[in-house]
Amino acid sequence: QKEVEQNSGPLSVPEGAIASLNCTYSDRGSQSFFWYRQYSGKSPELIMFIYSNGDKEDGRFTAQLNKASQYVSLLIRDSQPSDSATYLCAVNWVQGGKLIFGQGTELSVKP
Amino acid sequence: ETGVTQSPTHLIKTRGQQVTLRCSSQSGHNTVSWYQQALGQGPQFIFQYYREEENGRGNFPPRFSGLQFPNYSSELNVNALELDDSALYLCASSLGPNQPQHFGDGTRLSIL
Repeated sequence: QKEVEQNSGPLSVPEGAIASLNCTYSDRGSQSFFWYRQYSGKSPELIMFIYSNGDKEDGRFTAQLNKASQYVSLLIRDSQPSDSATYLCAVNWVQGGKLIFGQGTELSVKP
Repeated sequence: ETGVTQSPTHLIKTRGQQVTLRCSSQSGHNTVSWYQQALGQGPQFIFQYYREEENGRGNFPPRFSGLQFPNYSSELNVNALELDDSALYLCASSLGPNQPQHFGDGTRLSIL
């Protein structure tokens, strides 16, 4: 079983729709969860982080965490073509401060 | 506020050579983590340095080594380069070992 799993996509949504990106993780001791956006040929950019169960909203982005189900998601409301990128889910491992990344979900927002 | 900077941007080496990659952390950050990202994959953790000490290491062989300086900048050294070492090498800095990490632009390493 992979430590952090994401659907690789591509996920295609029309402009203005809600994009839903999902991630599961295997270590029940994980405490911190991050979403990064990576444009093609660029480095990852931190867009959201969440530590507690429930929802956390920042502008058009909402991160959702359910530790009992070992599940974290990212919702992007009013999706724009500029949101087209690969979204990486990352989990902070209990030991050593390392981030474990999923393989990323490619999102395509069609005008 | 200056972000994370990495150098060089691109590098071409041949098998068996050695390489040093450099990273300057964001102002106020005392922790630097290094990752290797192959094409189409998520970043893989190499190691982390916190206040000049190694604070965790991933599943990379000993020929991957690092260093953090008193100003919290860092180096990644790779000896005896192999073809599979071709990748994007990312440096990330943070306020502490378990704080959100911010990435530099990366160094693209190609091994011929």
